[in-house]
Amino acid sequence: GDSVTQMEGPVTLSEEAFLTINCTYTATGYPSLFWYVQYPGEGLQLLLKATKADDKGSNKGFEATYRKETTSFHLEKGSVQVSDSAVYFCALKGYGGSQGNLIFGKGTKLSVKP
Amino acid sequence: DTAVSQTPKYLVTQMGNDKSIKCEQNLGHDTMYWYKQDSKKFLKIMFSYNNKELIINETVPNRFSPKSPDKAHLNLHINSLELGDSAVYFCASSQPGQGHYEQYFGPGTRLTVT
Repeated sequence: GDSVTQMEGPVTLSEEAFLTINCTYTATGYPSLFWYVQYPGEGLQLLLKATKADDKGSNKGFEATYRKETTSFHLEKGSVQVSDSAVYFCALKGYGGSQGNLIFGKGTKLSVKP
Repeated sequence: DTAVSQTPKYLVTQMGNDKSIKCEQNLGHDTMYWYKQDSKKFLKIMFSYNNKELIINETVPNRFSPKSPDKAHLNLHINSLELGDSAVYFCASSQPGQGHYEQYFGPGTRLTVT
């Protein structure tokens, strides 16, 4: 079945450091890919998405490119801030189907120190 | 205005009890979901539901049942609670016409079974 694998955390960075969180997927067909963020004590929020190969999703300085050849969707940010501390989830939605069930990776906790 | 709301935020109860968690969305979405997040932050779909179709994750015990009095509500009933049911439960919604590309999550309900 479809699955998502993302790098184990936690990740601890200093402010203004470069961030990469790796995500790879296994899916049949042409899934849509997402990054969700969960701030402490809150529900998940969509951070960015890409719906076809070579699409780049971007939001709040974060970027991820849908790479079909490597089945990857790595999250990057050039300069992290303390306020970026959260848990980040990579997810996919399979192609087709009547409903939008998301399959999530296990989450990567990011802590940014001042 | 809160898009997806859940009550209660915290629920502490004893093994063997029956409890319900309520979810309401004011986004006009047709599809709603329940997810379970375990202590390691792993998120797993439990149910997805619209007014025509209920899809149940086959790993969910039949002690769990979704109830939808109308399109804006999807409540989660749990019978004979067990210690392993302790988790954070998230409700979410999406709109088929938008390709289910974004799911809106509630703030979560932390269930503790003692």
